[in-house]
Amino acid sequence: EVQLVESGGGLVQPGGSLRISCLASGFPFSAYEMIWVRQAPGKGLEWVAYILGPGSPTTYADSVRGRFIVSRDNARNSLFLEMNNLRVEDTGVYYCARDSWGGGQVVGGIDYWGQGVEVAVST
Amino acid sequence: EVVLTQSPGTLYLSPGERATLSCRPSPTVDNYLAWYQQRPGQPPRLLIYDAWKRAPGTPPRFTGTGSGTEFTLTISSLEPEDFAIYYCQQRGGWPPGFSFGQGTRLEMK
Repeated sequence: EVQLVESGGGLVQPGGSLRISCLASGFPFSAYEMIWVRQAPGKGLEWVAYILGPGSPTTYADSVRGRFIVSRDNARNSLFLEMNNLRVEDTGVYYCARDSWGGGQVVGGIDYWGQGVEVAVST
Repeated sequence: EVVLTQSPGTLYLSPGERATLSCRPSPTVDNYLAWYQQRPGQPPRLLIYDAWKRAPGTPPRFTGTGSGTEFTLTISSLEPEDFAIYYCQQRGGWPPGFSFGQGTRLEMK
């Protein structure tokens, strides 16, 4: 069974940093491209970052480029998002998700999502 | 950057009725277009990918159509569990970027 479990969320002050993680299981993690998506309270979905299976290249939404870094440790089936210089508008639920469009997978789309981790940026 | 415009913002229908949701990309996109359902307190669930292919477990009442600058998700006969928020989403370029529409809320009349 495919599972994605996020961790590491919490409350941080504006300008602070936070690292969130996602532990994957039930599939060959290194073969899949992965993304982070966030959702501000009461708002829609916003793509944040993308990473290829081997770890490079990566891409970012304009709103986080230069502040956030996505990385992965394929030996530990883990995905990370390092968030720096956090702003109030970064508050929300952050989802780790599997991108099955790449890599010649049978099924496309963002086909598996974690339950999400809450990040709150506030004084 | 691709902007996806979904309409209507909210759709009021009754169980058994047909729902038609629109997603208009600008500029045009290829068929890396997907639809998701999100219920309160839950992560999104993939329904349709590549514009028309049903994801495993998607009931046949959900149909995706369209290409280029106009895509549609049709729910042929609404079940009570279908009342939720629906998002379209695209992937494009290399390395890829992604974008989501603002969502259509499907509410029970």
